[in-house]
Formats: sequence, C-alpha cells, structure tokens
Amino acid sequence: DAGVTQSPTHLIKTRGQQVTLRCSPKSGHDTVSWYQQALGQGPQFIFQYYEEEERQRGNFPDRFSGHQFPNYSSELNVNALLLGDSALYLCASSLGTTFYEQYFGPGTRLTVT
Amino acid sequence: SQQGEEDPQALSIQEGENATMNCSYKTSINNLQWYRQNSGRGLVHLILIRSNEREKHSGRLRVTLDTSKKSSSLLITASRAADTASYFCARVVDTGGFKTIFGAGTRLFVKA
Repeated sequence: DAGVTQSPTHLIKTRGQQVTLRCSPKSGHDTVSWYQQALGQGPQFIFQYYEEEERQRGNFPDRFSGHQFPNYSSELNVNALLLGDSALYLCASSLGTTFYEQYFGPGTRLTVT
Repeated sequence: SQQGEEDPQALSIQEGENATMNCSYKTSINNLQWYRQNSGRGLVHLILIRSNEREKHSGRLRVTLDTSKKSSSLLITASRAADTASYFCARVVDTGGFKTIFGAGTRLFVKA
C-alpha cells in the first residue's frame, strides 16, 4: 500500500517565477492538506482540499493556490516566488476534514534564489 | 505565526533514559497530536489525544493533556538512539472548520 508521495523531491527556482508541486494521497484517503516548513520551524498550515474544493486556509497570501483532482491527488501552486518561500513543502492526507491521523509525504524542498 | 510553545527546544540524553517534552497552547482544542520528524523529512503520526482525555499510552510513549492548564506532555521511556528526531505537537482547533497548528518542536538527541 503506497503512502503519500510528493514530486519533485527538490526544486530550485528564481524570484518571480511560478512553481507547481504535486501530491498523491495514501490509498483510501480523500483529503489533502499542504504545509510549509521553514528551516528549524514547525509546519505551517497552508490549506486543505476535500471534494475538489479548498475547505480551510491558513494565513498565506493568494499567491498560494491549489487544486484537487477527482482521484484525490493535489497540486500546490505558488506564483511570484519570493526568497522567503524557500522551505520544505509537506503534503498530508487523511480521511475526512477533521485532521485525525494525517499521513505525511516526504516533502518537496524548494529553494528560491 | 504559531500559537503555543514547546519546551525544551532541544534535549540531549543518554540511551535508556526517559525524555519528556512539553507543549503549551492558548486556545481551546478539539484534539492534540504528537508527530516525529527525522532529518527534515516527512512527519510520522505518533499519538492523538482528544480534549476529553487526560492520558494515553502507545508502546514506550505516554501523552498527558491538561486542558485547564492548556498543556500537554510527551514522555518517551527507555529511549533509544533511533528516537533521535524532532518532535512536534499539533493542536487541532475548530474555527468553523478544523485547522492544525504545529509548534516549533523539540529536537531530541539520544546518545548511544
């Protein structure tokens, strides 16, 4: 049974560019949440997708957007990249929107230069 | 910004000793969860304690929750070198929908 997978593993972008990160949830899960983790910090909640809609959102600007597909996989898009967007981006899947027992992927390390 | 604090920020112990990490928060919670993270990669769910529970056990892990003090603790007994990792508490709050708020974590180093 495949767990949560994310791609790519690492990514280097330039300020002002746009990036798309991808996530496939654990089999049987229907909800995907995205987190940003800066070095030495805990993850910060970006948003959650359920039934192909954004259900909850953290304190992130509109430059951060997402999408969920009918197969429950998800994308995170970040526009107009800033140096401060450099971080580990984590995807977590769960069953339903209550955040009970989230399964995390290995993350995508984004570096903005 | 992240609500609440975890302490200590870092902890170094000998193998076989117990490790205790604490988590405090400011707002009411639906439940509180503890996660482990190795070397800046994905997090692993350890244990969930609901707001109406006071203590839970899972193997060598013991979690307590005191909602009156808005605090929780994670105890790892008989620690092993493999327990070296960062440990995070995550509060699930209901703000008209559920959100997860992580603390900054405790970095545990277990010396063999």
